[in-house]
Amino acid sequence: AQSVTQPDIHITVSEGASLELRCNYSYGATPYLFWYVQSPGQGLQLLLKYFSGDTLVQGIKGFEAEFKRSQSSFNLRKPSVHWSDAAEYFCALYNFNKFYFGSGTKLNVKP
Amino acid sequence: DAEITQSPRHKITETGRQVTLACHQTWNHNNMFWYRQDLGHGLRLIHYSYGVQDTNKGEVSDGYSVSRSNTEDLPLTLESAASSQTSVYFCASSQDGNYGYTFGSGTRLTVV
Repeated sequence: AQSVTQPDIHITVSEGASLELRCNYSYGATPYLFWYVQSPGQGLQLLLKYFSGDTLVQGIKGFEAEFKRSQSSFNLRKPSVHWSDAAEYFCALYNFNKFYFGSGTKLNVKP
Repeated sequence: DAEITQSPRHKITETGRQVTLACHQTWNHNNMFWYRQDLGHGLRLIHYSYGVQDTNKGEVSDGYSVSRSNTEDLPLTLESAASSQTSVYFCASSQDGNYGYTFGSGTRLTVV
């Protein structure tokens, strides 16, 4: 069975600081992995996705994620956080036309 | 522009009442999904459909039903609303071979 774990429920970073959000997955084959962002009161927006090939994936809004098979991880990073990045972030695994989501990480940004 | 819309945006209902949440998409996507979002649980799949007349149960389907009579709509019905069904509900759609969802803006349902 597949599953996605996001170990951090809340993270607070200062504006301008770097960010890394953790995601671990459990899946028997090469996974299709995604990161979504949800602003308050909004639906989910796709940040980036990994299918195969280059393990460092670039996304929108300056985000990137690195797939590490040996660690079963797909961590999201951003070198310099902006106040507008405050939101909830979801890692997801795609299998047979369905998504399996992690429980989310809420990001707070301090001025 | 193509879109996916959910209605209503907010709903308050009483325990035991039947409630239907609407989801309409103009992407012409085959696949449609309903999720509920609760604090600490992320998004959990309720029901999904891969085409007209096709419906399938997700991981938290008890107390919910869906029907797919056309490509555009997948209404979610709560047969007898319970307080445990207070949640935010998201509809999503996708097309085969296109690995990504398009999400609606959500419906916040409160059962009192």
